[in-house]
Amino acid sequence: QVQLQESGPGLVKPSETLSLTCAVSGGSIKIGSFYWSWIRQPAGKGLEWIGRIFPTGSTDYNPSLKSRVTISMDTSKNQFSLRLTSVTAADTAVYYCAVGVTLIPGWLDPWGQGTLVAVSS
Amino acid sequence: QSVLIQSPSASGTPGQRVTISCSGSGSNIGKNTVNWFQQLPGTAPKLLIYSNDQRPSGVPDRFSGSKSGTSASLAISGLQSEDEADYYCAAWDDSLNYVFGIGTKVTVL
Repeated sequence: QVQLQESGPGLVKPSETLSLTCAVSGGSIKIGSFYWSWIRQPAGKGLEWIGRIFPTGSTDYNPSLKSRVTISMDTSKNQFSLRLTSVTAADTAVYYCAVGVTLIPGWLDPWGQGTLVAVSS
Repeated sequence: QSVLIQSPSASGTPGQRVTISCSGSGSNIGKNTVNWFQQLPGTAPKLLIYSNDQRPSGVPDRFSGSKSGTSASLAISGLQSEDEADYYCAAWDDSLNYVFGIGTKVTVL
């Protein structure tokens, strides 16, 4: 069973870059039938899809975040990462990583436990 | 703001049937399959229903999904106290964006 674990700074200053990593265990991120996603959730609010990366390195991003987001992967460490630039308080949220299945549109499971990132000076 | 509309709350007594609706448009639900996620308090979301009406392994058959046109529904029959959670619908959109509903909080009275 694939397991995911997010990690990264819990506090980021406004205008700086948020960087998070999702470590994957129990399976290789190079498997072609999977893709790897980031989703976030502000406190007390709903879920927002950020983007995804395929084992080929191809990416898709939420159009509303596309200009600030980069998702990359490190196959040697079996992990993938999120970079979000020019953050503001509106980017304060719990950030989750999750695995998708290429042949099942919208499948996202399992998820990591999530990591809270606050944007504040 | 979400493009998938859900009623903010639903409730029922143990054993009752509760239905949650999700309304979209021709650019998302009208063209693509719907998935449902359950988020228990303080935990990460979990996939509950995929491809409109399919249950992943381990999900009780009390949970069922359906889709018609640009709307979808999640039904919980034989409501149990452990079903108290937030439920989100989701679907791909024409803009290549995976959109979630605003979420429905289910309360077991």
